[in-house]
Amino acid sequence: NAGVTQTPKFRVLKTGQSMTLLCAQDMNHEYMYWYRQDPGMGLRLIHYSVGEGTTAKGEVPDGYNVSRLKKQNFLLGLESAAPSQTSVYFCASSHSTDTQYFGPGTRLTVL
Amino acid sequence: GIQVEQSPPDLILQEGANSTLRCNFSDSVNNLQWFHQNPWGQLINLFYIPSGTKQNGRLSATTVATERYSLLYISSSQTTDSGVYFCAVERGSTLGRLYFGRGTQLTVWP
Repeated sequence: NAGVTQTPKFRVLKTGQSMTLLCAQDMNHEYMYWYRQDPGMGLRLIHYSVGEGTTAKGEVPDGYNVSRLKKQNFLLGLESAAPSQTSVYFCASSHSTDTQYFGPGTRLTVL
Repeated sequence: GIQVEQSPPDLILQEGANSTLRCNFSDSVNNLQWFHQNPWGQLINLFYIPSGTKQNGRLSATTVATERYSLLYISSSQTTDSGVYFCAVERGSTLGRLYFGRGTQLTVWP
């Protein structure tokens, strides 16, 4: 099992560009999450999903959109990137509200 | 939202020493998880511990939900224990959503 994988691992964008981060899990988990981690901070929840076709806002949802068309995938979109979105993005999944398993992260820089 | 405070923010130890990390939270919680983020950034779940005590090798954790705190014990520390330790809590009203503390940066010297 690969667990939770994230694509890409690194990305540099210019202000105003768009991009999509892909998260995939092979553990048949219902719940999936997107977090961001900024220097000296803990993780903050952006959006999450409790099942295929459902999404919900977390603590810091502004500037991001998500989609969960398939149970194993959770996409995070930035429509018009801003320097404030420079961060490390982590995806996680869990069986219901049980232990969360994290992907390796995506380091995004917005110039 | 709920406040999650971890202490100390930084901890430097010699290999073989023991340590205790603390997590305080401001409201009642449904569950609590401890994570280790290694120097390469990978987050690993250590404990899922809404209450009581659990042990896993040299690590153990205790959560006293009624007093709103949890403790992570590391015994006989090793250099591979270095990294950031995060506490995260879930409230009953927002199932699935974890609120993270700012972490404890642990450095273990040989």
